Amino acid sequence: QQPVQSPQAVILREGEDAVINCSSSKALYSVHWYRQKHGEAPVFLMILLKGGEQKGHEKISASFNEKKQQSSLYLTASQLSYSGTYFCGTESDKLIFGTGTRLQVFP
Amino acid sequence: EAQVTQNPRYLITVTGKKLTVTCSQNMNHEYMSWYRQDPGLGLRQIYYSMNVEVTDKGDVPEGYKVSRKEKRNFPLILESPSPNQTSLYFCASSALGAPLHFGNGTRLTVT
Repeated sequence: QQPVQSPQAVILREGEDAVINCSSSKALYSVHWYRQKHGEAPVFLMILLKGGEQKGHEKISASFNEKKQQSSLYLTASQLSYSGTYFCGTESDKLIFGTGTRLQVFP
Repeated sequence: EAQVTQNPRYLITVTGKKLTVTCSQNMNHEYMSWYRQDPGLGLRQIYYSMNVEVTDKGDVPEGYKVSRKEKRNFPLILESPSPNQTSLYFCASSALGAPLHFGNGTRLTVT
């Protein structure tokens, strides 16, 4: 079953923050985050493994709460280049992607 | 350069005409997978392969076939395409447990 991502869409001004959530009904081994720009392939951002660690990539970080089977992606001080669709992929017996969150950053 | 190469990028065909979308990776990855992407549905897995001669169904395998005769290649075969297979297709590969590397996608239209 696909993980549920929320919100479905976010509109931001440059410099604003956003949080994207990913929730699964299954016990998870790991969570992947990818970003896809329009017309391009998804690009890997980060993997979070069981253990609740938080990871960072520039001003983008993420957390993984394995007890709640949830992960959140934090985008701080957003830049125009952050625009795109963000997918979480949850891994239990196999990797399954969510339906995506479309993020648009305006000047 | 490490990459996943899909061909063709764009394909328009008619119902029932067999087609193959090729996928090749040069990173010696064990794991390869095919996804289709449709608006509002995200990336849904069609088939995947953990190694040569080992393939398994994903979430939406109906109407598709795959083969993994060599480690680097993982073609997607549509024996009798139908309009509901019109979609954007991505091939991806990874080392086991590592991040996925995606190809550039194949936009398929079946009329």
